[in-house]
Amino acid sequence: TQLLEQSPQFLSIQEGENLTVYCNSSSVFSSLQWYRQEPGEGPVLLVTVVTGGEVKKLKRLTFQFGDARKDSSLHITAAQPGDTGLYLCAGANNDMRFGAGTRLTVKP
Amino acid sequence: GAGVSQSPRYKVAKRGQDVALRCDPISGHVSLFWYQQALGQGPEFLTYFQNEAQLDKSGLPSDRFFAERPEGSVSTLKIQRTQQEDSAVYLCASSPTGGDEKLFFGSGTQLSVL
Repeated sequence: TQLLEQSPQFLSIQEGENLTVYCNSSSVFSSLQWYRQEPGEGPVLLVTVVTGGEVKKLKRLTFQFGDARKDSSLHITAAQPGDTGLYLCAGANNDMRFGAGTRLTVKP
Repeated sequence: GAGVSQSPRYKVAKRGQDVALRCDPISGHVSLFWYQQALGQGPEFLTYFQNEAQLDKSGLPSDRFFAERPEGSVSTLKIQRTQQEDSAVYLCASSPTGGDEKLFFGSGTQLSVL
């Protein structure tokens, strides 16, 4: 059973479109992290959010931590084929638990 | 080494065989995690070490799974009497201090049980 629920599970869009993926939980986390994983590799950290309501931007990626520190969203502007991958959120409370991920495909 | 190293990269086992998967974390990293990732799924937590102490093993699916980190560095995940449902990628990650910091992952060991 996943502690963190991610939606959508799959997302296929055209290059240039915007998208938002979500990470929800009934648990409160001290911090929440977003990772991106490519086939045959381990996940790589994109960002850590710590404060409720926090917004962080990483180029075309915008991450938000919910006010209650139970949920988060990742928004990608003008998606590119290089954004294709599995996006994972992970909640931290002494250890790190992952959601099932959103598999994003960006078509040229 | 520069990153987390896992070996072997691929392992094919016959059902009932015992396997041992190795993880070399980044030098000096205190925390070490093992995760199991089924095809198309996110990593499922197995167990967590701080130095040589196994602080949480609640994710180990059965008593056939055993992990150790005797000197607080290299860790081994052992699976006894492998079953087909054990087929997955086993990921190891380390972090500098506590368990809620940035994780650095290895590339994983892909285990196939026939």
